[in-house]
Formats: sequence, structure tokens, C-alpha cells
Amino acid sequence: ETGVTQTPRHLVMGMTNKKSLKCEQHLGHNAMYWYKQSAKKPLELMFVYNFKEQTENNSVPSRFSPECPNSSHLFLHLHTLQPEDSALYLCASSQNTGDDQPQHFGDGTRLSIL
Amino acid sequence: EDQVTQSPEALRLQEGESSSLNCSYTVSGLRGLFWYRQDPGKGPEFLFTLYSAGEEKEKERLKATLTKKESFLHITAPKPEDSATYLCAVHPADRGSTLGRLYFGRGTQLTVWP
Repeated sequence: ETGVTQTPRHLVMGMTNKKSLKCEQHLGHNAMYWYKQSAKKPLELMFVYNFKEQTENNSVPSRFSPECPNSSHLFLHLHTLQPEDSALYLCASSQNTGDDQPQHFGDGTRLSIL
Repeated sequence: EDQVTQSPEALRLQEGESSSLNCSYTVSGLRGLFWYRQDPGKGPEFLFTLYSAGEEKEKERLKATLTKKESFLHITAPKPEDSATYLCAVHPADRGSTLGRLYFGRGTQLTVWP
């Protein structure tokens, strides 16, 4: 149990569907992150939130839309995805972005685009 | 171009055969270097943080060390349960980097056979 819970664990969707990924952390952290993990590639940072404010959008296409209603919850809304978006999407949290404490990860959502 | 390079890509060891994994980085300054372990179907699990050259951290059969441009993860007398992918990440110190943004390597896939 890492303290970061992601749902669903697996998701299969068509290119025209709309779905959302959810992340919840029980660690009392103030920063939350979305990463994309594809085979044979380094983890790729997508978004950073610190105290509910977005501090980084790493040139992510607009078909990915994050939402952070409070410091414990993070969502990733998906619409009109492409086959190359199939990957493992990981959520992480840390105390805040300004210190040097480690990020703690959830177990991810395995996304497959048909 | 990757800012963090891990080698080897894959390593097979017999149980009890000690070895080292390498992580080299090109960022000019370092706020912290992190080692993670990732099992199939799981998110990365935090192992160590190193902050300055000369620092060492130990946990069971693992020891992490840091020099000015690289880190080593030494595995002493490994067991089959140490089989996993080991990831290295750096948090740069330069002013142009977003706080909290980690750069990950592609990982070393370790297999320990009995």
C-alpha cells in the first residue's frame, strides 16, 4: 500500500469515447503529478499541481485535461484519444514541489485505445 | 537526448552474484537523485534519495552511492525477489527547471535466477 490509489487499474476505450482517470493520495501531500509510461521510454511528466495550482503542463495535447479539486485528488479527463496514447498512466504525490522529498507513485491505469 | 542514462538495460545474475547498476546524468546541478524499484504491473516504489557527492544509503542488500555525475546501485548477494526494473531519477537544481520536475532514466531490468 503506497498511499496513492488510482482507478480504474485497466481501461479500454475507443477513440471517440470520453473517460476519466482518478487518483487519490492519503499521505497529506500538497503536490500531485501525472506521468505517462510507455515501453522502452523514460517516464514522461505530463502535469504538476502544487497546492491545487497547475505549475507545469509539459506540452501535453489538449485531448488530455487535468483537474485538481483539492490536494488529495487528481483527475485526468480523456477525450478523442489516439492509438499512440495507449500506455500506463501513473499518478504521484510529494510533500510539495519546492522541497527535495521523493515522489510516491500509485500503481497506474493501463490504458488501451482501440 | 536523455538527461539520465542507465546501464545496463538488462542484467541477469545468479542468486548470490553481486553487481552494480549505473545511472549517469547530464543536468548541471542536482537537488536530489532518486532510486526506485518497479515490479511488473505496479508503480515505482521509492528506495533512496541522495543529495550530494560522496553520500551513501543502504537498505538490506542494496546500497546507493553518488558522485558528481553518476550514481551506482550496488546489489550484494541478490535473491530472486530482487528481480525488478530499477529506475533512477534526478531533480535538477538549475533555475530553468520546474520545481518538482524529475527526469527519469529508462531503467535497468534485473533478473536474479536461483
